[in-house]
Amino acid sequence: NAGVTQTPKFQVLKTGQSMTLQCAQDMNHEYMSWYRQDPGMGLRLIHYSVGAGITDQGEVPNGYNVSRSTTEDFPLRLLSAAPSQTSVYFCASRSDREGGTPYEQYFGPGTRLTVT
Amino acid sequence: SQQGEEDPQALSIQEGENATMNCSYKTSINNLQWYRQNSGRGLVHLILIRSNEREKHSGRLRVTLDTSKKSSSLLITASRAADTASYFCAALNYGGSQGNLIFGKGTKLSVKP
Repeated sequence: NAGVTQTPKFQVLKTGQSMTLQCAQDMNHEYMSWYRQDPGMGLRLIHYSVGAGITDQGEVPNGYNVSRSTTEDFPLRLLSAAPSQTSVYFCASRSDREGGTPYEQYFGPGTRLTVT
Repeated sequence: SQQGEEDPQALSIQEGENATMNCSYKTSINNLQWYRQNSGRGLVHLILIRSNEREKHSGRLRVTLDTSKKSSSLLITASRAADTASYFCAALNYGGSQGNLIFGKGTKLSVKP
Protein backbone atom coordinates (compact mmCIF):
# COMPACT_ATOMS: atom_id res chain seq x y z
CA ASN A 1 0.00 0.00 0.00
CA ALA A 2 1.20 3.51 -0.80
CA GLY A 3 -0.73 4.88 2.21
CA VAL A 4 -1.60 8.57 1.95
CA THR A 5 -0.06 10.45 -0.94
CA GLN A 6 -0.02 14.20 -1.53
CA THR A 7 0.96 16.30 -4.50
CA PRO A 8 2.68 18.61 -5.03
CA LYS A 9 5.41 18.58 -2.37
CA PHE A 10 6.18 22.27 -2.83
CA GLN A 11 4.24 25.12 -4.41
CA VAL A 12 4.68 28.86 -4.74
CA LEU A 13 1.64 30.95 -5.62
CA LYS A 14 1.02 34.62 -6.17
CA THR A 15 -1.72 36.34 -4.21
CA GLY A 16 -5.06 35.77 -5.87
CA GLN A 17 -4.12 32.60 -7.72
CA SER A 18 -6.05 29.40 -7.16
CA MET A 19 -4.84 25.84 -6.96
CA THR A 20 -5.77 22.35 -5.83
CA LEU A 21 -3.76 20.23 -3.43
CA GLN A 22 -4.25 16.58 -4.19
CA CYS A 23 -4.64 13.82 -1.60
CA ALA A 24 -5.26 10.12 -2.16
CA GLN A 25 -5.30 7.04 0.03
CA ASP A 26 -5.43 3.37 -0.90
CA MET A 27 -6.46 1.91 2.46
CA ASN A 28 -10.24 2.17 1.91
CA HIS A 29 -10.51 4.57 4.84
CA GLU A 30 -13.84 6.30 5.19
CA TYR A 31 -12.53 9.31 7.14
CA MET A 32 -10.20 11.88 5.55
CA SER A 33 -9.09 15.31 6.70
CA TRP A 34 -6.91 18.29 5.90
CA TYR A 35 -4.75 20.12 8.43
CA ARG A 36 -2.48 23.09 8.19
CA GLN A 37 0.62 23.41 10.33
CA ASP A 38 2.12 26.75 11.20
CA PRO A 39 5.13 27.39 13.47
CA GLY A 40 4.12 27.27 17.12
CA MET A 41 0.49 26.48 16.27
CA GLY A 42 0.44 22.73 16.01
CA LEU A 43 -2.02 21.26 13.51
CA ARG A 44 -5.35 22.92 12.84
CA LEU A 45 -8.19 21.15 11.10
CA ILE A 46 -9.41 22.77 7.86
CA HIS A 47 -12.03 20.34 6.46
CA TYR A 48 -12.91 16.72 6.93
CA SER A 49 -15.02 14.00 5.36
CA VAL A 50 -16.59 10.92 6.92
CA GLY A 51 -17.30 9.28 3.57
CA ALA A 52 -17.78 9.84 -0.15
CA GLY A 53 -20.18 12.69 -0.78
CA ILE A 54 -19.94 14.04 2.78
CA THR A 55 -17.73 16.96 3.83
CA ASP A 56 -17.74 19.37 6.73
CA GLN A 57 -15.80 22.31 8.09
CA GLY A 58 -13.10 22.14 10.70
CA GLU A 59 -11.55 24.88 12.79
CA VAL A 60 -10.10 27.06 9.99
CA PRO A 61 -12.16 26.49 6.78
CA ASN A 62 -12.22 30.02 5.34
CA GLY A 63 -10.57 30.32 1.94
CA TYR A 64 -10.64 26.56 1.27
CA ASN A 65 -13.04 24.19 -0.45
CA VAL A 66 -13.11 20.40 -0.50
CA SER A 67 -15.03 17.66 -2.24
CA ARG A 68 -15.16 13.89 -1.81
CA SER A 69 -16.45 12.21 -4.95
CA THR A 70 -14.64 8.93 -4.26
CA THR A 71 -13.44 7.10 -1.16
CA GLU A 72 -9.83 7.44 -2.30
CA ASP A 73 -9.52 11.14 -3.15
CA PHE A 74 -9.95 14.29 -1.08
CA PRO A 75 -8.63 17.39 -2.89
CA LEU A 76 -8.26 20.76 -1.16
CA ARG A 77 -8.87 23.88 -3.24
CA LEU A 78 -7.52 27.32 -2.48
CA LEU A 79 -9.94 29.71 -4.12
CA SER A 80 -7.88 32.93 -4.08
CA ALA A 81 -4.55 32.48 -2.36
CA ALA A 82 -3.49 34.92 0.35
CA PRO A 83 -0.14 35.26 2.17
CA SER A 84 -1.89 34.09 5.36
CA GLN A 85 -2.31 30.69 3.69
CA THR A 86 1.44 30.16 3.58
CA SER A 87 1.77 26.96 5.55
CA VAL A 88 2.46 23.24 5.42
CA TYR A 89 -0.65 21.25 4.56
CA PHE A 90 -1.20 17.67 5.66
CA CYS A 91 -3.83 15.24 4.52
CA ALA A 92 -4.76 12.33 6.76
CA SER A 93 -7.07 9.32 6.67
CA ARG A 94 -8.29 6.74 9.12
CA SER A 95 -10.76 3.94 9.59
CA ASP A 96 -13.09 3.87 12.58
CA ARG A 97 -14.20 0.30 12.00
CA GLU A 98 -13.24 -2.20 14.68
CA GLY A 99 -10.51 -4.55 13.56
CA GLY A 100 -7.18 -3.40 12.20
CA THR A 101 -6.10 -0.09 13.64
CA PRO A 102 -9.25 1.96 14.30
CA TYR A 103 -8.94 5.67 15.06
CA GLU A 104 -5.23 5.86 14.16
CA GLN A 105 -4.67 8.55 11.59
CA TYR A 106 -2.27 8.08 8.70
CA PHE A 107 -0.67 11.23 7.39
CA GLY A 108 0.67 12.16 4.00
CA PRO A 109 4.14 13.73 3.63
CA GLY A 110 2.77 17.27 3.36
CA THR A 111 2.67 20.12 0.85
CA ARG A 112 4.73 23.19 1.62
CA LEU A 113 2.88 26.20 0.18
CA THR A 114 4.22 29.73 -0.07
CA VAL A 115 1.99 32.60 -1.17
CA THR A 116 3.78 35.79 -2.19
CA SER B 1 -9.29 25.67 19.42
CA GLN B 2 -6.53 23.36 20.54
CA GLN B 3 -7.73 20.42 22.58
CA GLY B 4 -4.35 19.14 23.76
CA GLU B 5 -1.57 21.22 25.20
CA GLU B 6 1.85 19.67 25.60
CA ASP B 7 4.39 20.51 28.23
CA PRO B 8 7.25 21.28 27.97
CA GLN B 9 7.40 23.01 24.60
CA ALA B 10 11.02 21.89 24.19
CA LEU B 11 13.12 19.25 25.90
CA SER B 12 16.83 18.52 25.50
CA ILE B 13 18.38 15.39 27.01
CA GLN B 14 21.38 13.10 26.62
CA GLU B 15 21.20 9.74 24.90
CA GLY B 16 20.23 7.03 27.38
CA GLU B 17 18.13 9.33 29.57
CA ASN B 18 14.37 9.12 29.83
CA ALA B 19 12.14 11.76 28.27
CA THR B 20 8.75 12.66 29.73
CA MET B 21 6.21 14.81 27.94
CA ASN B 22 2.87 15.86 29.34
CA CYS B 23 -0.41 16.71 27.70
CA SER B 24 -3.55 18.34 29.03
CA TYR B 25 -6.89 18.43 27.26
CA LYS B 26 -10.11 20.29 27.78
CA THR B 27 -13.14 18.06 27.30
CA SER B 28 -14.12 14.44 27.77
CA ILE B 29 -12.49 12.05 25.34
CA ASN B 30 -12.95 8.61 23.80
CA ASN B 31 -9.22 8.13 23.38
CA LEU B 32 -5.97 10.05 23.39
CA GLN B 33 -3.21 9.48 20.90
CA TRP B 34 0.44 10.41 20.57
CA TYR B 35 2.14 11.18 17.28
CA ARG B 36 5.70 11.83 16.27
CA GLN B 37 6.91 14.18 13.55
CA ASN B 38 10.42 14.19 12.21
CA SER B 39 11.56 17.51 10.79
CA GLY B 40 9.89 18.23 7.46
CA ARG B 41 7.84 15.02 7.48
CA GLY B 42 4.30 13.91 8.15
CA LEU B 43 3.07 12.71 11.51
CA VAL B 44 3.37 9.07 12.51
CA HIS B 45 1.06 7.40 15.00
CA LEU B 46 2.84 6.07 18.10
CA ILE B 47 0.27 4.87 20.58
CA LEU B 48 -3.41 5.16 21.49
CA ILE B 49 -4.89 4.93 24.95
CA ARG B 50 -8.63 4.60 25.49
CA SER B 51 -10.53 6.56 28.09
CA ASN B 52 -11.06 3.47 30.25
CA GLU B 53 -7.33 2.63 30.31
CA ARG B 54 -4.82 4.12 32.72
CA GLU B 55 -1.52 2.95 31.31
CA LYS B 56 -0.24 1.45 28.10
CA HIS B 57 3.15 0.26 26.91
CA SER B 58 4.66 -0.16 23.47
CA GLY B 59 8.36 -0.97 23.29
CA ARG B 60 10.21 1.95 24.93
CA LEU B 61 7.03 4.01 25.12
CA ARG B 62 4.81 4.27 28.17
CA VAL B 63 1.64 6.33 28.16
CA THR B 64 -0.51 7.16 31.14
CA LEU B 65 -3.94 8.73 31.19
CA ASP B 66 -5.69 10.47 34.08
CA THR B 67 -9.20 11.38 32.98
CA SER B 68 -9.99 13.06 36.31
CA LYS B 69 -7.18 15.56 35.67
CA LYS B 70 -7.66 15.52 31.89
CA SER B 71 -3.99 14.79 31.40
CA SER B 72 -1.69 12.26 29.79
CA SER B 73 2.03 11.66 29.77
CA LEU B 74 4.37 10.02 27.30
CA LEU B 75 7.58 8.48 28.62
CA ILE B 76 10.35 7.43 26.26
CA THR B 77 12.88 5.28 28.07
CA ALA B 78 16.57 4.94 27.19
CA SER B 79 16.31 7.62 24.54
CA ARG B 80 18.34 7.55 21.35
CA ALA B 81 19.50 10.29 19.00
CA ALA B 82 16.98 8.90 16.50
CA ASP B 83 14.16 9.86 18.91
CA THR B 84 14.84 13.53 18.13
CA ALA B 85 11.52 14.80 16.78
CA SER B 86 8.40 16.71 17.73
CA TYR B 87 5.75 14.83 19.69
CA PHE B 88 2.06 15.69 19.63
CA CYS B 89 -0.85 14.51 21.67
CA ALA B 90 -4.27 14.39 20.05
CA ALA B 91 -7.64 13.93 21.70
CA LEU B 92 -10.60 12.22 20.08
CA ASN B 93 -14.11 12.95 21.25
CA TYR B 94 -16.78 11.49 19.02
CA GLY B 95 -19.60 13.45 20.55
CA GLY B 96 -18.03 16.87 21.01
CA SER B 97 -15.82 17.21 17.94
CA GLN B 98 -17.60 15.07 15.35
CA GLY B 99 -14.90 12.46 15.70
CA ASN B 100 -12.07 14.83 14.76
CA LEU B 101 -8.64 14.52 16.28
CA ILE B 102 -7.67 17.81 17.91
CA PHE B 103 -3.93 18.29 18.24
CA GLY B 104 -1.79 20.15 20.72
CA LYS B 105 1.13 22.36 19.76
CA GLY B 106 3.75 19.70 20.40
CA THR B 107 6.93 19.10 22.36
CA LYS B 108 10.20 19.37 20.50
CA LEU B 109 12.56 16.70 21.81
CA SER B 110 16.28 16.85 21.16
CA VAL B 111 18.40 13.85 22.15
CA LYS B 112 22.11 14.55 22.11
CA PRO B 113 24.48 11.65 21.37
